[in-house]
Amino acid sequence: KNEVEQSPQNLTAQEGEFITINCSYSVGISALHWLQQHPGGGIVSLFMLSSGKKKHGRLIATINIQEKHSSLHITASHPRDSAVYICAVRPQGGSEKLVFGKGTKLTVNP
Amino acid sequence: NAGVMQNPRHLVRRRGQEARLRCSPMKGHSHVYWYRQLPEEGLKFMVYLQKENIIDESGMPKERFSAEFPKEGPSILRIQQVVRGDSAAYFCASSPQKGALNEQFFGPGTRLTVL
Repeated sequence: KNEVEQSPQNLTAQEGEFITINCSYSVGISALHWLQQHPGGGIVSLFMLSSGKKKHGRLIATINIQEKHSSLHITASHPRDSAVYICAVRPQGGSEKLVFGKGTKLTVNP
Repeated sequence: NAGVMQNPRHLVRRRGQEARLRCSPMKGHSHVYWYRQLPEEGLKFMVYLQKENIIDESGMPKERFSAEFPKEGPSILRIQQVVRGDSAAYFCASSPQKGALNEQFFGPGTRLTVL
């Protein structure tokens, strides 16, 4: 079993819909990251969380440390949001490396 | 402030050749991380370096792969005697310092194809 599991693997939505992507992890962590990878392949960091909730524009990320779960929400989705969204955790214990989920491929149709 | 730079963006090598991938971190960043993304798979950690030191190479294959981050110049990921299974996207990230709350900034990646 992977240390970081994302669901769903693939998600298709209509423009304007509210999107939720989930991430569960099985290890103690010091931080969780949400990343976006566009079809061209570049990776952009969206959020870094260690507790609570963060908002940036139409994107909201939440984390529940006790339940080892995080969600990424996109409000009023748009075709330009189409990308792969990746959850990554930094395990506790001083490690600097990130452990990644396999990603959720989001397609938003006009 | 330029972001993390990687070059080349695309690299084609024949089996048995050497591949050199370069990563210039963001200005002021002294911590570099290399990750590999195999086709249809998630990203995997390879190695973490600070200037002139390898801190964690637990994700690096024991043979043919090496990494360095010299005092001057970019970080280099070197793959000797490449095989088809090395075909992947290699991403570099940098951060200003270590610690859980320090964000890593990713480069655009180098896509290596081994013929």
